[in-house]
Amino acid sequence: AQSVTQLGSHVSVSEGALVLLRCNYSSSVPPYLFWYVQYPNQGLQLLLKYTSAATLVKGINGFEAEFKKSETSFHLTKPSAHMSDAAEYFCAVSHSGGYQKVTFGIGTKLQVIP
Amino acid sequence: DAGITQSPRYKITETGRQVTLMCHQTWSHSYMFWYRQDLGHGLRLIYYSAAADITDKGEVPDGYVVSRSKTENFPLTLESATRSQTSVYFCASSDPFENQDTFGSGTRLTVV
Repeated sequence: AQSVTQLGSHVSVSEGALVLLRCNYSSSVPPYLFWYVQYPNQGLQLLLKYTSAATLVKGINGFEAEFKKSETSFHLTKPSAHMSDAAEYFCAVSHSGGYQKVTFGIGTKLQVIP
Repeated sequence: DAGITQSPRYKITETGRQVTLMCHQTWSHSYMFWYRQDLGHGLRLIYYSAAADITDKGEVPDGYVVSRSKTENFPLTLESATRSQTSVYFCASSDPFENQDTFGSGTRLTVV
């Protein structure tokens, strides 16, 4: 069984401040991990993914995430928040071996305060 | 245009009616999925398909029917709509070697 827990359904940051969105996973096998972003009235867009290569993964729009096996975490960060980062962010887990079902977290809504 | 197209974008239907949500992809991805998105639940998988004529249940399949006669199309049918099926529905496709889902823009369904 696999699952992800996103800590904090709503996160507010000031423009220019660090963005930190937390995700912890549970998986019985080495995981693949993903972060998706959803802007209002749109589908989910892949930000970045971890597939057992480098533990620090860089994604689009200046985001990155670090896989920490000892902490079973895959937190998403961005050094300086921009107004356009306001969206909902989903962490997801899967694993290798052809297609494997993706399990999504419940999402974290990021608000950026000017 | 390449991508995933869902139709309609918005739909209001009455309880008990049958409604079909359409999904079309142009990548020839073998895998396709239907998710529903509800507040507090994130995305939950309804059905998925590994190839034409191969479908399987996801986490919340009850009340839904799918078919996949062609690789590019994956319609989702609510046989007798209920209010609990009011949701935003997302179709996605995936190349299994990329192991990532690409999503459509969603269909917002309201059952009254």
